[in-house]
Order: sequence, then C-alpha cells, then structure tokens
Amino acid sequence: DGGITQSPKYLFRKEGQNVTLSCEQNLNHDAMYWYRQDPGQGLRLIYYSQIVNDFQKGDIAEGYSVSREKKESFPLTVTSAQKNPTAFYLCASNLGARGDTQYFGPGTRLTVL
Amino acid sequence: KQEVTQIPAALSVPEGENLVLNCSFTDSAIYNLQWFRQDPGKGLTSLLLIQSSQREQTSGRLNASLDKSSGRSTLYIAASQPGDSATYLCAVRPQGSSNTGKLIFGQGTTLQVKP
Repeated sequence: DGGITQSPKYLFRKEGQNVTLSCEQNLNHDAMYWYRQDPGQGLRLIYYSQIVNDFQKGDIAEGYSVSREKKESFPLTVTSAQKNPTAFYLCASNLGARGDTQYFGPGTRLTVL
Repeated sequence: KQEVTQIPAALSVPEGENLVLNCSFTDSAIYNLQWFRQDPGKGLTSLLLIQSSQREQTSGRLNASLDKSSGRSTLYIAASQPGDSATYLCAVRPQGSSNTGKLIFGQGTTLQVKP
C-alpha cells in the first residue's frame, strides 16, 4: 500500500540525548515536511524539503536537524538544544505543486523523561 | 502574517444534527485551503481541498465552502454520526515569493457526536 510511515510510534528521551525520528514515503512525492503539534494547538512547521539533498528551515527549526539523502526518506533529529521537545511529531509529503494535497503519517509521540 | 482561527474550539451535538465548523484567515493571498480530520493520537486525514479559484467542494456528507475575499471557510457536516467525532483542522497554503508548500493551521475544533 502507498503511504507515509513514521517510527517509532512512541519515543522517550532523557535530558541531553539526541533522538532521530524516521519518516518514509512510497508515494513518489518530491516534497516532505516535519510538523510539531502541542496539545490544543495546530501544527507548526519545523523543516521542509522540496527535493533530494535540499531542505529549508520552517518556523520553529531551532534545536532540530534533518537530512534528505533519498527521495523516500526525511529523518528528523531532535537535539539536546531543543529545550521543550515533548510533543507529537507529524511528517507529511506532497508532489510539491501549488494546488495539491499534503498527506500525513501516523505521527511519533516524543516524551522527555 | 497569516493567522488561521477556528471557532468553536469544541462542539457537542446529538446524532443526526447538521452542523457547521468555521475557519477564518487574515490574508486572502492563498493557493488553497484544506480541511483535515484528526482522531486522538493519530495523524491527519485530508477531507477536502478547495483551490483559491473555487467556491466549494463536496465529498459525501461533507461540504466545504470558501469565501476568499472575506477570509472565511465553513465545513458543513450533514446528518452527523458518532463516527464523526474527531478534531477538525483547517489549513491554508499561503502565496508568497517562496512557494514552500507550507501550511498554516488553525487550532482545530473538537467535535463530539452523542448517540
């Protein structure tokens, strides 16, 4: 089946640790996105990539890093510099054209212990 | 700066009612507007996408309208069912010099449909 997969579903991080969230898509989409969702709030854009080997910061990129070495994969690393990382993280993708829909993965819930 | 607001934040209705969810945005320079559904602890499912040149879109019991000039969209749900209980999010894709594909989201309306 075509779609977006995220792993793990739940992730626990100790203070000072870096953790990496996985996002894979088999939709042949060029563009991929990472969003953060906090309770009772909408989604905020962390990073996005419109093409392999290229990515740009979103609105809240501090404390996060990404890579886009393959079209199918867009992993997000939450570094120790991110002061409040506990949140629900959502990955999305689309063709990149102006009018098309964004498709979302099931999300990863990150909790700092 | 584009801002998206959804009112009400929560809504509880008896089964069978028709209902309207509201979304407003401050800047009419958008490519499109999307409505999403989110179940607790899950990702987002796209319900309807309205291009900036369109006035409405329909899918089954759902109808979304767009009035770009006034910065408003509504999602109409006919004959609501308990299975419609979820959080509904609207998002706009703003125009701009950098077409990033970025979406600006509202905070969502949490709907409960009681049997």
